[in-house]
Amino acid sequence: KAGVTQTPRYLIKTRGQQVTLSCSPISGHRSVSWYQQTPGQGLQFLFEYFSETQRNKGNFPGRFSGRQFSNSRSEMNVSTLELGDSALYLCASSLGLAGGQAIYNEQFFGPGTRLTVL
Amino acid sequence: SQQGEEDPQALSIQEGENATMNCSYKTSINNLQWYRQNSGRGLVHLILIRSNEREKHSGRLRVTLDTSKKSSSLLITASRAADTASYFCATDAWVQGAQKLVFGQGTRLTINP
Repeated sequence: KAGVTQTPRYLIKTRGQQVTLSCSPISGHRSVSWYQQTPGQGLQFLFEYFSETQRNKGNFPGRFSGRQFSNSRSEMNVSTLELGDSALYLCASSLGLAGGQAIYNEQFFGPGTRLTVL
Repeated sequence: SQQGEEDPQALSIQEGENATMNCSYKTSINNLQWYRQNSGRGLVHLILIRSNEREKHSGRLRVTLDTSKKSSSLLITASRAADTASYFCATDAWVQGAQKLVFGQGTRLTINP
């Protein structure tokens, strides 16, 4: 099975721009989660999608949004970029469980997208 | 403050020695997981222990969980240079109104040949 893929791997943007990152989960995985990793804050949960629905959201401003498509591929968008958005953005997929409650079992991470905001 | 906190923040040992890392958390959990990350790449899942389990083994890894103390430890035996990486604990828990996988700040492990 192919692993989780993320595109692009590296991105340089300027303040005020917007960016869209893509994540393709492992085939058969229905849950996709996104994380932001920075040296200061560590790994922070952004949101989790299951069957095209956002089930959980972390404490990030509304500039951070995401969506999931019927084939489980997911995108996240950051609008009006700020310098502090520079980070490694990681997505992870898992089989997930149906129903309202997400139980986070083994997560399979992609290599990440390194975003630099100038 | 973080749901999960790890100590030590950094650990340097000789190849062949055992490495122990600790994780503490604040709220009740469904499970606790350990991940490894090499040099800013994606994380690799190592082991998962459920809240009703006390100990689990996988190869050279041994994880313990004490829910009464809200703590866990990861032991890597007979360390190798390839074990050099950052190790994170992650708890599946309800935090601030959302169910999340919450990561600790990590322990940077260096294995010296």
